[in-house]
Amino acid sequence: QSVLTQPPSASGTPGQRVTISCSGSSSNIGSNYLYWYQQLPGTAPKLLIYRNNQRPSGVPDRFSGSKSGTSASLAISGLRSEDEADYYCAAWDDSLSGPVFGGGTKLTVL
Amino acid sequence: QVQLQESGPGLVKPSETLSLTCTVSGGSVSSGSYYWSWIRQPPGKGLEWIGYIYYSGSTNYNPSLKSRVTISVDTSKNQFSLKLSSVTAADTAVYYCARDAGAVGWFDPWGQGTLVTVSS
Repeated sequence: QSVLTQPPSASGTPGQRVTISCSGSSSNIGSNYLYWYQQLPGTAPKLLIYRNNQRPSGVPDRFSGSKSGTSASLAISGLRSEDEADYYCAAWDDSLSGPVFGGGTKLTVL
Repeated sequence: QVQLQESGPGLVKPSETLSLTCTVSGGSVSSGSYYWSWIRQPPGKGLEWIGYIYYSGSTNYNPSLKSRVTISVDTSKNQFSLKLSSVTAADTAVYYCARDAGAVGWFDPWGQGTLVTVSS
């Protein structure tokens, strides 16, 4: 049981816009920054979004993050086949005094 | 750019101690503001933070693993290490090392990961 809640799966067709949600509480998302990671099949996770909505250099602007209260979302526009991956959200948790992850969302490009 | 590489045995017997090392290149473990972390992922499952260490030696562990985890740093070798004692099959996972920019869950970069199987 993960501290942050994500839907286990999401899907879309090429060119579509999809969103992945991440829900938490006042001790994590509600009071700290949210981070998103992309894990392509068979590889290590990669930072996709930091501090709620900032993209590291090299991440396409098709990826965007937002946060409101104790929930956050990752949006992917202009969906491409190479976006098929697992996506994880993460945030510091004040109660745990450590970072917590969502359970991950498997994105399928149909 | 900073790169991390995990190393260690891929097979550990139940009740024994899992030991892994992460070698940092292109940067220094003594850099301020960074916390050097271990994260694991059981096969087919999600990510679990294990703990981190600051170059000074201060540590923070996941409460669920705290009694069995030790993370240490060797600044002379630019490495940090993980020891997990009394392992069981439930500890079988891919173990990643990663740099956390400020102990906030901002993990970048990650090592490629190493699979550790607990089996007799």
